Formats: sequence, C-alpha cells, structure tokens
Amino acid sequence: GQQVMQIPQYQHVQEGEDFTTYCNSSTTLSNIQWYKQRPGGHPVFLIQLVKSGEVKKQKRLTFQFGEAKKNSSLHITATQTTDVGTYFCAGRNNDMRFGAGTRLTVKP
Amino acid sequence: KAGVTQTPRYLIKTRGQQVTLSCSPISGHRSVSWYQQTPGQGLQFLFEYFSETQRNKGNFPGRFSGRQFSNSRSEMNVSTLELGDSALYLCASSPLPGELFFGEGSRLTVL
Repeated sequence: GQQVMQIPQYQHVQEGEDFTTYCNSSTTLSNIQWYKQRPGGHPVFLIQLVKSGEVKKQKRLTFQFGEAKKNSSLHITATQTTDVGTYFCAGRNNDMRFGAGTRLTVKP
Repeated sequence: KAGVTQTPRYLIKTRGQQVTLSCSPISGHRSVSWYQQTPGQGLQFLFEYFSETQRNKGNFPGRFSGRQFSNSRSEMNVSTLELGDSALYLCASSPLPGELFFGEGSRLTVL
C-alpha cells in the first residue's frame, strides 16, 4: 500500500538557523499537503502542491514537489521560536497518508 | 463558521470495553476522515467517508469501524479495546478536493 516516509524524525536548531524536512512516497501522488502541529494542538494546514516540480513560498517557508511527484520538502529560513512544532507531509493517492512528522525545536 | 467538533475530548476505558467517538464536520463539508495519532506511529489513516459511503480504509483490524450519517456527522467505534488502542483520535473534514480541517481530537486511554 501507499507509504509516505519523512525524515528527520527530530531536528533541534539554534534560532536563526535553517531547517529542512523531506518526504518520500512509495507511489506517485496526485498532490501533497503540509501541516504543522503545535505541542498539544491539532494539525493545521499549511499548503498544497499539485504540479510536478512545483515550488511555493510562504514568507520564510519554501515548499517543493518533486518532478516525479513522489517526493517533497519543506525548508524554513532563519528559524524563529514560533516555528516550534511537528511538521507533517501528507500525500494523496487514493486516500491521504501522513508521514511520521519532523519535530522541530528551536533554541533561542 | 464553526470548526470540526469532536466528542468526547477525553475518555478512559478498560480493556475489553468498546467506545464510540463522534465528529461533526464543518458545515458544507461532505468528506470526513479519521486518524489515530500515537507518539511512536504518527498519524495513521483509519477511514474516509463521503456522502455516507466509506471511500477508503486503512490497515486497522475489524474492531475499528465507522459510519457517516446523512448530515455528514461521523462516528467511529472501537470494540474489544486493547491497551495499544490508547491514542489521540483525530477527525478531519474536507471540501473535496482540498485541505483537511482537523478537530481537537478525542484522547482515549485504555487501562
């Protein structure tokens, strides 16, 4: 069945450093979404990528969808303490499957 | 617009019991999906419903079941509870296709 692998599992950075999380799917995806979950909260939608090779930016966040529509990445430039949380990718084929998430902690 | 509402928020059960969790989607959303979240396994897909029909089902045993009503509200049931069923159960609604709007979750503890 469809599987979505996400790395790294944890990332601890100094405030101001960059952060990247990667997702890989075992199958071609129709789209990929990214979510952020703050500690004690529920996942909140960040963005959806649909097209092969698509790149989208939201302020300090850059999202990429691979040419083969099987991998994706989220890059945060100059992290801030407000970026703390777990970032999940979710790939849709027949249904939406989530990666295990990357837990980001930021040291001020 | 009201968000996704899940009840109950917290519950404690003992092994062998059953539990029913409820989810009211955002008004107008006809798709509801359920996820199990545990610290070690992340978000595991349980089921997806659209217009009262189960569209997809994840790799969970038959003890896990669900349904969707004509008003799009959904319930999931877990029978013969096991300790490993302790988790946060998240419901999400969606105006297909598109983003998932999650509820706060129902935290189940099985003793």
